[in-house]
Amino acid sequence: DAMVIQNPRYQVTQFGKPVTLSCSQTLNHNVMYWYQQKSSQAPKLLFHYYDKDFNNEADTPDNFQSRRPNTSFCFLDIRSPGLGDAAMYLCATSRVRGTGGFGEKLFFGSGTQLSVL
Amino acid sequence: AQTVTQSQPEMSVQEAETVTLSCTYDTSESDYYLFWYKQPPSRQMILVIRQEAYKQQNATENRFSVNFQKAAKSFSLKISDSQLGDAAMYFCAYRSGDTNRDDKIIFGKGTRLHILP
Repeated sequence: DAMVIQNPRYQVTQFGKPVTLSCSQTLNHNVMYWYQQKSSQAPKLLFHYYDKDFNNEADTPDNFQSRRPNTSFCFLDIRSPGLGDAAMYLCATSRVRGTGGFGEKLFFGSGTQLSVL
Repeated sequence: AQTVTQSQPEMSVQEAETVTLSCTYDTSESDYYLFWYKQPPSRQMILVIRQEAYKQQNATENRFSVNFQKAAKSFSLKISDSQLGDAAMYFCAYRSGDTNRDDKIIFGKGTRLHILP
């Protein structure tokens, strides 16, 4: 039973051509995250939503934007992809901290591998 | 700011043997969560084990256990009876338990574990 679903699994785009990656969840979690992960590196947080409250990391380039139209869906928009944006993009969800049990762990999707030509 | 350090970029272990992955962290907080995540070559990140800082007892999940030393800020992962399916990148991660602080999961750089048949 897929809980965090990312589409597509692989995305190829051209240099400078806008691209959107999508994430959906069936867990009804308040918090959704977007991470960028380059080969053999730790995931780097780009931004996260607490419900509709958007939280951008200070070092996330303006080229990256996000939308969360409802609880279930979240999108990552890359306005003008550069070669350096080629990476795996991971979506994750979580319940709010302090809700007990395993509420504090993250559930990850399978990721979207973005290639920029 | 919190940091997570994994000093072993790669490790190898013989199948059926035991291996310990190291992780240290730095924080001034008293309430937090620590995690070990596994990322196999298929790239989906899955939770291996978690530890709440207020609990003195070390967490255990089947063949996986941790050695949590709060004063030393150390959180190592022990894998017993290593199996070929354990081959993956392992990330140590930290999450603040203070709901007044930014909700970030901070990842270490990872340890790539090889299982030798």
